[in-house]
Amino acid sequence: EIVLTQSPGTLSLSPGERASLSCRTSQSVSSAFFSWYQQKPGQAPRLLIYGASTRATGIPDRFSGSGSATDFTLTISRLEPEDFAVYYCQLYGKSVMYTFGQGTKLEIK
Amino acid sequence: EVQLLESGGGLVPPGGSLRLSCAASGFLFRRFSMAWVRQAPGKGLEWVSGISGSGETTYYAESVKGRFTISRDNTKNTMFLQLNSPRADDTAIYYCARREWIDLGSFLDVWGQGTTVTVSS
Repeated sequence: EIVLTQSPGTLSLSPGERASLSCRTSQSVSSAFFSWYQQKPGQAPRLLIYGASTRATGIPDRFSGSGSATDFTLTISRLEPEDFAVYYCQLYGKSVMYTFGQGTKLEIK
Repeated sequence: EVQLLESGGGLVPPGGSLRLSCAASGFLFRRFSMAWVRQAPGKGLEWVSGISGSGETTYYAESVKGRFTISRDNTKNTMFLQLNSPRADDTAIYYCARREWIDLGSFLDVWGQGTTVTVSS
């Protein structure tokens, strides 16, 4: 079973700053199988990025995804107040259909 | 508008049973495979189960295999999750989600608002 490890656990930044969130997989994976989600308190998760780098419908272009093999990154170029939330990476697999990372909490500094 | 609406959550005693529903609207339900994902209080996301568009193929996480049953009724645009013999660690918000496929990869592009299941005596 592939394990996803997100870092940092908590990231404290100010509006207007750039955020970089990391997700590492325990084995090399296809970028096509990798996604990112955003979850705000009391809300369902929302798809941000699929295929490691493609923004989902309606997602602002300040969100970008990159990476391959075992290292993937979600970058928010210039933080808006509504971007402070928990972010999860996710891998599509076979034995376990979807594996999620443990999450990174992006909080206001 | 594409929408998923869960219902059926509540308080259930350990060893009891509960059926969750997920009503879909705004898209051709039978063409999409679907999934259930849960989130224990204060914890992260955990995939629980998946089902093909026809309902013929089902998938389960090891943690629920043999206890939970996923199904769907395409005539009613509704998916179900039957929880049998739930345990305290099944306490969570249960989300239904639509599966999408692009370039052999799969992800969850539409989510419901969730329904809360509490397993307690």
